[in-house]
Amino acid sequence: GDSVTQMEGPVTLSEEAFLTINCTYTATGYPSLFWYVQYPGEGLQLLLKATKADDKGSNKGFEATYRKETTSFHLEKGSVQVSDSAVYFCALTPLFNYGGSQGNLIFGKGTKLSVKP
Amino acid sequence: GAGVSQSPSNKVTEKGKDVELRCDPISGHTALYWYRQSLGQGLEFLIYFQGNSAPDKSGLPSDRFSAERTGGSVSTLTIQRTQQEDSAVYLCASSLGGPTQETQYFGPGTRLLVL
Repeated sequence: GDSVTQMEGPVTLSEEAFLTINCTYTATGYPSLFWYVQYPGEGLQLLLKATKADDKGSNKGFEATYRKETTSFHLEKGSVQVSDSAVYFCALTPLFNYGGSQGNLIFGKGTKLSVKP
Repeated sequence: GAGVSQSPSNKVTEKGKDVELRCDPISGHTALYWYRQSLGQGLEFLIYFQGNSAPDKSGLPSDRFSAERTGGSVSTLTIQRTQQEDSAVYLCASSLGGPTQETQYFGPGTRLLVL
């Protein structure tokens, strides 16, 4: 079945460092891809998404590009801040054989990011 | 506007008891989802409601788990004869629904502890 694999954490960075969190997927067709973020004590919220190949999702300085050749959707940010400390989840919506979205999300295990001042 | 709300926020129960968890989706959202977040299993899909269609129950881990959605709005997830492995955070999400309205908005979750 469809699955999402993201890099193991935790990841610890200094403020203003460059961030990459790797995410690869296995899926039928070209599902929509998402990054969700869970800040300490808060619920899951959508960070960015891309719905077709070569699309770039971006939000709050984060970016991810839908790469069908490498089945990847790596999350990047040029300069992280302490406030970016959170758990980041890569996810996809699996497709039916005819191409329609199944609706539910399949998540990776999550990557905990800690940013030190 | 108001987001997805869930109640209770925390629930402690004894093994073997039944529990009910409630979810109020965003007004106007036709799709509603339940997920479970646990340390060992990460985030797992449980069940999905879309409008008046039959729900997708493919993620329910056993027949002790069931859910209903009344009037196309509020949903209740019921766990019968709870076991310690049911301890987790249960998350509800809603979306506008349809093939292009895929962004899911999550509630704060219900933290369930089975003693």
